[in-house]
Amino acid sequence: DVKVTQSSRYLVKRTGEKVFLECVQDMDHENMFWYRQDPGLGLRLIYFSYDVKMKEKGDIPEGYSVSREKKERFSLILESASTNQTSMYLCASSPGNLNTEAFFGQGTRLTVV
Amino acid sequence: DQQVKQNSPSLSVQEGRISILNCDYTNSMFDYFLWYKKYPAEGPTFLISISSIKDKNEDGRFTVFLNKSAKHLSLHIVPSQPGDSAVYFCAARGTDKLIFGTGTRLQVFP
Repeated sequence: DVKVTQSSRYLVKRTGEKVFLECVQDMDHENMFWYRQDPGLGLRLIYFSYDVKMKEKGDIPEGYSVSREKKERFSLILESASTNQTSMYLCASSPGNLNTEAFFGQGTRLTVV
Repeated sequence: DQQVKQNSPSLSVQEGRISILNCDYTNSMFDYFLWYKKYPAEGPTFLISISSIKDKNEDGRFTVFLNKSAKHLSLHIVPSQPGDSAVYFCAARGTDKLIFGTGTRLQVFP
């Protein structure tokens, strides 16, 4: 069964902290993505990766970085958390074939106080 | 610049009736479209997709229609059930990433 696992369901962090969000997939997918979901704004792409050690900026990369050292793991890093980064963060993966769906993790609700 | 738009933030439908969710896109290079369903505090789950070489795809109660000339797609759910109450996102594949709309919250009432 397809599985994308995010390390935390809920996180509360303080302003200025460095925050790591981890995502692991067990499907041997080439592509991995980080989105954030905010009311009225839908899902916005932060970063994506189509191979190990490769990364591409999405639509809203400012304030974030990513790491993909292994194929199955894609980490999102908030270098210095701010209150406007309070959001639902969603990780997804998909095969290299473009005409297939992406599979999502359960999401991490991050609150920055 | 919103390349994929869902202009109705919410929709309320009676159980048993048809639900029609709409989506518009601006980039004629998009060639694959998907619908996802999302419950609160869960990740989106894939529902149905359609390639740009087709104009209709059906899976049980769910049918997606694509009108390329109008750059418009729609999701039909018939009959609607209370368990269909969720937020629905349409998405378009551009090069190697998925671009999502803002979502439509569907409420199916008895």
